[in-house]
Amino acid sequence: DAKTTQPTSMDCAEGRAANLPCNHSTISGNEYVYWYRQIHSQGPQYIIHGLKNNETNEMASLIITEDRKSSTLILPHATLRDTAVYYCIVRVFSGNTPLVFGKGTRLSVIA
Amino acid sequence: DVKVTQSSRYLVKRTGEKVFLECVQDMDHENMFWYRQDPGLGLRLIYFSYDVKMKEKGDIPEGYSVSREKKERFSLILESASTNQTSMYLCASRTAYTGELFFGEGSRLTVL
Repeated sequence: DAKTTQPTSMDCAEGRAANLPCNHSTISGNEYVYWYRQIHSQGPQYIIHGLKNNETNEMASLIITEDRKSSTLILPHATLRDTAVYYCIVRVFSGNTPLVFGKGTRLSVIA
Repeated sequence: DVKVTQSSRYLVKRTGEKVFLECVQDMDHENMFWYRQDPGLGLRLIYFSYDVKMKEKGDIPEGYSVSREKKERFSLILESASTNQTSMYLCASRTAYTGELFFGEGSRLTVL
C-alpha cells in the first residue's frame, strides 16, 4: 500500500471548516483513500473513502486532486467533539490485506 | 449497527501471567485484527485473521498468539505477560470486500 504523509497537528476554531491534508504521491490506480478518526480513549472510527471523485457524507467531504497524489478531508463546521486524531490511509478496496495506520493528524478544535 | 465487543475495558495483570483478550463481532465479518496502541507509536498491527482458523502475523507478533475457532471471535493471548506489553489493545473487524474497519472500544492492559 502507498505511504501517506500528514501534518502532525492542526488547530481549528469552532464553527469553522477544518481542512486536513494528506499526501499520497505513490498511490496506485486501484488504491482508495480512506479516512478514520480516533477520539481520545476510543477505537478509531471510519469517516469516508474515495477513489478519484469527490465524496461527501453526513460526517465530512473528501476532495481528491485530479492526479490523485493528495487529498483533503473537510469537516464543514467543526465542533469541540471533532477534536481527535485523523488518519489518512491508502489501500486497495477489497482483499485481505490489513489497514496500516500512520501517526495521523491531531486536530484540536478551539472554542 | 455493527458491534465489536472487547471483553475487558481495563485489566491489571502481573508479570508472567497468561492473559486472554477476547473480541467478538456480530456482523459475520471474515477479517479480524488485533492492534496495540502506544503514545508516540500509533497503532501497530499484532496479528490478523482473514477467516476461521486462519491467522497471519502483523508487524509486532512477538510475545503474542491468537486463536480464531469461530468466525465471530478472535482472541489475543499473551503467554507470559511482560511489563513492555502494557498498552491499549484494539480489536477490529471488516468484510473481505471493503476497507471499512469497525473497532472495539479497546482494552487497556497494565502489567505490573
